[in-house]
Amino acid sequence: GAVVSQHPSWVICKSGTSVKIECRSLDFQATTMFWYRQFPKQSLMLMATSNEGSKATYEQGVEKDKFLINHASLTLSTLTVTSAHPEDSSFYICSALPSGEETQYFGPGTRLLVL
Amino acid sequence: GQSLEQPSEVTAVEGAIVQINCTYQTSGFYGLSWYQQHDGGAPTFLSYNALDGLEETGRFSSFLSRSDSYGYLLLQELQMKDSASYFCAVKDAGNKLTFGGGTRVLVKP
Repeated sequence: GAVVSQHPSWVICKSGTSVKIECRSLDFQATTMFWYRQFPKQSLMLMATSNEGSKATYEQGVEKDKFLINHASLTLSTLTVTSAHPEDSSFYICSALPSGEETQYFGPGTRLLVL
Repeated sequence: GQSLEQPSEVTAVEGAIVQINCTYQTSGFYGLSWYQQHDGGAPTFLSYNALDGLEETGRFSSFLSRSDSYGYLLLQELQMKDSASYFCAVKDAGNKLTFGGGTRVLVKP
Protein backbone atom coordinates (compact mmCIF):
# COMPACT_ATOMS: atom_id res chain seq x y z
CA GLY A 1 0.00 0.00 0.00
CA ALA A 2 0.81 3.75 0.00
CA VAL A 3 2.20 3.92 -3.53
CA VAL A 4 2.84 7.26 -5.20
CA SER A 5 3.64 7.58 -8.87
CA GLN A 6 5.06 10.45 -10.90
CA HIS A 7 4.95 11.07 -14.61
CA PRO A 8 7.11 11.58 -16.51
CA SER A 9 10.14 10.04 -14.83
CA TRP A 10 12.43 12.26 -16.85
CA VAL A 11 12.03 15.07 -19.32
CA ILE A 12 14.34 17.10 -21.52
CA CYS A 13 13.01 20.36 -22.89
CA LYS A 14 14.16 23.54 -24.56
CA SER A 15 14.52 26.76 -22.63
CA GLY A 16 11.30 28.74 -22.59
CA THR A 17 8.92 25.81 -22.77
CA SER A 18 6.56 24.65 -20.02
CA VAL A 19 6.67 21.22 -18.44
CA LYS A 20 3.90 19.49 -16.49
CA ILE A 21 4.67 16.84 -13.89
CA GLU A 22 1.94 14.63 -12.45
CA CYS A 23 1.87 13.11 -8.98
CA ARG A 24 -0.68 10.39 -8.22
CA SER A 25 -1.51 8.45 -5.09
CA LEU A 26 -2.43 5.03 -6.45
CA ASP A 27 -4.05 3.24 -3.54
CA PHE A 28 -5.08 5.97 -1.14
CA GLN A 29 -6.60 9.40 -1.03
CA ALA A 30 -4.42 12.36 -0.19
CA THR A 31 -5.88 15.68 0.84
CA THR A 32 -2.37 17.06 0.98
CA MET A 33 0.56 16.57 -1.36
CA PHE A 34 3.95 18.22 -1.25
CA TRP A 35 6.40 19.21 -3.97
CA TYR A 36 10.14 19.16 -3.38
CA ARG A 37 13.18 20.00 -5.45
CA GLN A 38 16.58 18.41 -5.04
CA PHE A 39 19.76 19.60 -6.73
CA PRO A 40 22.69 17.16 -7.11
CA LYS A 41 24.30 16.15 -3.83
CA GLN A 42 21.95 18.41 -1.88
CA SER A 43 19.00 17.88 0.38
CA LEU A 44 15.32 18.02 -0.48
CA MET A 45 13.85 21.50 -0.34
CA LEU A 46 10.12 21.91 0.07
CA MET A 47 8.68 24.07 -2.68
CA ALA A 48 4.98 24.06 -1.90
CA THR A 49 2.12 22.33 -0.15
CA SER A 50 -0.74 21.29 -2.39
CA ASN A 51 -4.21 20.98 -0.87
CA GLU A 52 -7.10 19.44 -2.75
CA GLY A 53 -9.66 22.04 -3.70
CA SER A 54 -7.68 25.06 -2.57
CA LYS A 55 -4.70 27.13 -3.57
CA ALA A 56 -1.23 25.80 -2.96
CA THR A 57 0.94 27.28 -0.24
CA TYR A 58 4.41 28.20 -1.47
CA GLU A 59 7.59 28.32 0.55
CA GLN A 60 9.55 31.53 0.78
CA GLY A 61 11.53 32.21 -2.36
CA VAL A 62 9.47 29.95 -4.62
CA GLU A 63 7.69 31.85 -7.39
CA LYS A 64 4.06 30.77 -7.55
CA ASP A 65 3.64 32.12 -11.08
CA LYS A 66 6.54 30.04 -12.30
CA PHE A 67 5.67 26.82 -10.52
CA LEU A 68 1.95 26.31 -10.98
CA ILE A 69 0.34 23.69 -8.80
CA ASN A 70 -3.10 22.18 -9.28
CA HIS A 71 -4.57 19.62 -6.89
CA ALA A 72 -7.76 18.78 -8.75
CA SER A 73 -8.65 15.52 -7.01
CA LEU A 74 -7.76 13.49 -3.92
CA THR A 75 -5.35 11.39 -5.97
CA LEU A 76 -3.72 13.86 -8.36
CA SER A 77 -1.55 16.95 -8.06
CA THR A 78 0.30 18.56 -10.94
CA LEU A 79 3.30 20.86 -11.01
CA THR A 80 3.86 22.95 -14.11
CA VAL A 81 7.23 24.59 -14.56
CA THR A 82 6.45 27.55 -16.80
CA SER A 83 9.01 29.07 -19.16
CA ALA A 84 11.66 26.67 -17.96
CA HIS A 85 15.29 27.76 -17.95
CA PRO A 86 18.51 25.75 -17.44
CA GLU A 87 18.64 26.74 -13.76
CA ASP A 88 15.32 24.92 -13.28
CA SER A 89 17.03 21.65 -14.15
CA SER A 90 16.63 19.51 -11.06
CA PHE A 91 15.06 16.42 -9.51
CA TYR A 92 11.43 17.17 -8.64
CA ILE A 93 9.85 14.86 -6.09
CA CYS A 94 6.30 14.81 -4.79
CA SER A 95 4.96 13.22 -1.66
CA ALA A 96 1.45 12.41 -0.57
CA LEU A 97 -0.04 12.34 2.89
CA PRO A 98 -2.81 9.76 3.34
CA SER A 99 -5.85 11.40 4.86
CA GLY A 100 -5.74 11.09 8.64
CA GLU A 101 -2.16 9.84 8.73
CA GLU A 102 1.16 11.46 9.63
CA THR A 103 3.65 9.79 7.29
CA GLN A 104 4.38 11.16 3.82
CA TYR A 105 5.04 8.74 0.98
CA PHE A 106 7.29 9.86 -1.82
CA GLY A 107 6.97 9.42 -5.54
CA PRO A 108 9.92 8.17 -7.61
CA GLY A 109 10.80 11.69 -8.77
CA THR A 110 11.06 13.44 -12.12
CA ARG A 111 14.38 14.52 -13.56
CA LEU A 112 14.08 17.73 -15.54
CA LEU A 113 16.83 18.89 -17.88
CA VAL A 114 16.35 22.23 -19.57
CA LEU A 115 18.64 22.88 -22.50
CA GLY B 1 12.15 28.20 10.84
CA GLN B 2 13.85 24.88 11.14
CA SER B 3 17.51 23.90 10.90
CA LEU B 4 18.95 20.42 11.19
CA GLU B 5 22.53 19.24 11.48
CA GLN B 6 23.79 15.79 10.60
CA PRO B 7 27.25 14.51 9.57
CA SER B 8 27.94 14.68 5.87
CA GLU B 9 29.54 11.26 5.47
CA VAL B 10 30.20 8.03 7.36
CA THR B 11 32.21 5.03 6.20
CA ALA B 12 31.97 1.58 7.78
CA VAL B 13 32.52 -2.08 6.93
CA GLU B 14 29.93 -4.78 6.39
CA GLY B 15 28.52 -6.10 9.63
CA ALA B 16 29.37 -2.95 11.57
CA ILE B 17 27.04 -0.60 13.42
CA VAL B 18 26.63 3.02 12.37
CA GLN B 19 24.93 5.80 14.31
CA ILE B 20 23.84 8.94 12.47
CA ASN B 21 23.14 11.85 14.79
CA CYS B 22 20.74 14.65 14.05
CA THR B 23 20.35 17.84 16.06
CA TYR B 24 17.67 20.35 15.29
CA GLN B 25 16.47 23.83 16.09
CA THR B 26 12.82 24.40 15.40
CA SER B 27 9.99 26.85 15.74
CA GLY B 28 7.48 24.01 15.89
CA PHE B 29 8.18 20.32 16.37
CA TYR B 30 5.85 17.38 16.04
CA GLY B 31 8.26 14.59 15.27
CA LEU B 32 11.47 13.42 13.65
CA SER B 33 11.50 11.20 10.58
CA TRP B 34 14.28 9.34 8.85
CA TYR B 35 14.48 8.62 5.13
CA GLN B 36 16.88 6.60 3.00
CA GLN B 37 17.76 7.65 -0.53
CA HIS B 38 19.86 5.64 -2.95
CA ASP B 39 21.64 7.48 -5.75
CA GLY B 40 19.16 8.40 -8.45
CA GLY B 41 16.18 7.30 -6.39
CA ALA B 42 13.50 8.90 -4.29
CA PRO B 43 13.48 8.94 -0.49
CA THR B 44 11.96 5.96 1.26
CA PHE B 45 10.52 6.19 4.74
CA LEU B 46 12.46 4.42 7.50
CA SER B 47 11.06 5.56 10.83
CA TYR B 48 9.27 8.26 12.78
CA ASN B 49 9.61 9.36 16.41
CA ALA B 50 7.07 11.67 17.98
CA LEU B 51 7.88 10.77 21.57
CA ASP B 52 11.13 10.28 23.43
CA GLY B 53 12.68 6.88 23.22
CA LEU B 54 13.81 4.19 20.85
CA GLU B 55 11.84 2.80 17.91
CA GLU B 56 13.14 -0.45 16.46
CA THR B 57 12.37 -1.72 12.97
CA GLY B 58 14.50 -4.70 12.06
CA ARG B 59 18.15 -3.71 11.64
CA PHE B 60 17.32 -0.01 11.89
CA SER B 61 16.44 1.84 15.08
CA SER B 62 15.70 5.50 15.71
CA PHE B 63 15.94 7.46 18.92
CA LEU B 64 14.57 10.83 19.97
CA SER B 65 15.20 13.14 22.90
CA ARG B 66 12.91 16.14 22.65
CA SER B 67 14.51 17.89 25.62
CA ASP B 68 17.90 17.72 23.88
CA SER B 69 16.54 18.44 20.39
CA TYR B 70 18.45 15.37 19.30
CA GLY B 71 17.85 12.12 17.56
CA TYR B 72 19.79 9.37 15.89
CA LEU B 73 19.39 6.57 13.41
CA LEU B 74 21.17 3.32 14.22
CA LEU B 75 22.05 0.98 11.41
CA GLN B 76 23.04 -2.49 12.60
CA GLU B 77 24.59 -5.45 10.78
CA LEU B 78 25.50 -3.19 7.89
CA GLN B 79 25.07 -4.60 4.41
CA MET B 80 26.42 -3.33 1.11
CA LYS B 81 22.90 -2.38 0.05
CA ASP B 82 22.76 0.07 2.98
CA SER B 83 25.14 2.38 1.11
CA ALA B 84 22.93 5.39 0.56
CA SER B 85 22.16 8.85 1.87
CA TYR B 86 20.14 9.13 5.06
CA PHE B 87 18.11 12.22 5.90
CA CYS B 88 16.55 13.29 9.16
CA ALA B 89 13.51 15.51 8.80
CA VAL B 90 11.48 17.51 11.29
CA LYS B 91 7.71 17.43 10.93
CA ASP B 92 5.72 20.48 11.98
CA ALA B 93 2.07 20.99 12.87
CA GLY B 94 1.14 21.32 9.20
CA ASN B 95 2.80 17.99 8.38
CA LYS B 96 5.53 19.84 6.50
CA LEU B 97 8.95 18.21 6.49
CA THR B 98 12.22 20.12 6.76
CA PHE B 99 15.16 17.92 5.81
CA GLY B 100 18.69 17.87 7.11
CA GLY B 101 21.57 17.99 4.70
CA GLY B 102 21.85 14.21 4.55
CA THR B 103 24.51 11.73 5.62
CA ARG B 104 26.14 9.65 2.96
CA VAL B 105 26.88 6.17 4.29
CA LEU B 106 29.49 4.14 2.45
CA VAL B 107 29.68 0.46 3.34
CA LYS B 108 32.90 -1.29 2.45
CA PRO B 109 33.45 -5.06 2.18
